[in-house]
Amino acid sequence: EVQLVQSGAEVKKPGESLKISCKVSGYSFTFYWIGWVRQMPGKGLEWMAMIYPGDSETRYGPSFQGQVTISADKSISTAYLQWSSLKASDTAMYYCARVSPGGGDFDYWGQGTLVTVSS
Amino acid sequence: EIVLTQSPATLSLSPGERATLSCRASQSVSSYLAWYQQKPGQAPRLLIYDASSRATGIPARFSGSGSGTDFTLIISSLEPEDFAVYYCQQRSNWWTFGQGTKVEIK
Repeated sequence: EVQLVQSGAEVKKPGESLKISCKVSGYSFTFYWIGWVRQMPGKGLEWMAMIYPGDSETRYGPSFQGQVTISADKSISTAYLQWSSLKASDTAMYYCARVSPGGGDFDYWGQGTLVTVSS
Repeated sequence: EIVLTQSPATLSLSPGERATLSCRASQSVSSYLAWYQQKPGQAPRLLIYDASSRATGIPARFSGSGSGTDFTLIISSLEPEDFAVYYCQQRSNWWTFGQGTKVEIK
């Protein structure tokens, strides 16, 4: 069974750093792209970035380039999304999702990680 | 960036009725369009990929059509569990989502 299990909710202050995780199981982590999707409170879905764990190739959405860093650790089948300096506007639910084989659709999703940034 | 515009924003229907949701792209995305369902407090779920192919386990009452710039998701007869928000997403040029259509109980 394919599963993506994300790290728990976080409450941070502006300017702090953060790294959230997405641990996968049930398939070969190395051979599928993994993406991150943001959902701000009461809003829609926004694709942020994705990574191919096999060679760590990354792609970033134009709005997120330079704002976040995506990474992966093949040894523990885990993808990460990190911020070096959080802003209040980073408050959102963040989902990781597997990219379907041969396509660009997100076929399996994590449960989401709620990040709250507030002074 | 390809912009996806969904209409209507909200659809008020009763169980058993037919729902027709639209997604229009700012430029051609060929058939590289997917539909997702999201219920409150849950992650999105893939329903349709490549414009008209149902994902694994998705009931036959969900169908997708279209190509180029105009796409449609049809729910032939609404079940109580179908009331949710639906998003379209393109993968032709990077990845973008529409703003969503909420299907609510009338």
